[in-house]
Amino acid sequence: EVQLVESGGGLVKPGGSLRLSCVVSGFTFRNVWMGWVRQAPGKGLEWLGRIKSKADGGTTDYAAPVKGRFTISRDDSKNTLYLQMSSLKTEDTAVYYCTTGELVAHWGQGTLVTVSS
Amino acid sequence: QSVLTQPPSASGTPGQRVTISCSGGSSNIGSNSVNWYQQLPGTAPKLLIYTDNQRPSGVPDRFSGSKSGTSASLAISGLQSEDEADYYCAAWDDSLNAHYVFGTGTKVTVL
Repeated sequence: EVQLVESGGGLVKPGGSLRLSCVVSGFTFRNVWMGWVRQAPGKGLEWLGRIKSKADGGTTDYAAPVKGRFTISRDDSKNTLYLQMSSLKTEDTAVYYCTTGELVAHWGQGTLVTVSS
Repeated sequence: QSVLTQPPSASGTPGQRVTISCSGGSSNIGSNSVNWYQQLPGTAPKLLIYTDNQRPSGVPDRFSGSKSGTSASLAISGLQSEDEADYYCAAWDDSLNAHYVFGTGTKVTVL
């Protein structure tokens, strides 16, 4: 069974930083492209970015609102995906989900990030 | 902001057929396949339809997807109370770098 478990969310002040983690199981992590999606309270889904497998170059792509502030990385030895967030803004308040593959087929349960002074 | 447009709401009585539209452009729906997600209240989204019209294992066959040109549709036949949820279309967009774009979302209410 595919499982994705996010952690690391919490309350952070504007301008601050936070790192989210997503531990996965149930599939061969190193072979799969991974991504992050967020959902602000009462709003729709917003794709943030993805990281390819190392076999496919390990490159990243980001949505415009987070490019330059957020960094996606992976540790295949730990089956873990990361989202490093910096220069956080109040509008970054959302539930953050890690997702799998080009179909964005599997989702974690999400972790809430609140950016507030 | 979303580049795929959906109606904000749709509704029907149990047993009815409900259709949700998703309008995009040549760089997304027009050149890539469409996926649909169901988000039940308080839960993470779940892949409902992939590659325009394929159902993952476990998804009832009363859910179906279609695509024509730069638009796509999700149909729910034999509507059930447990289908009350938010539905999102999505597709990869080839403009600029590859981005995944979601629709604006449709809230389906079972009357």
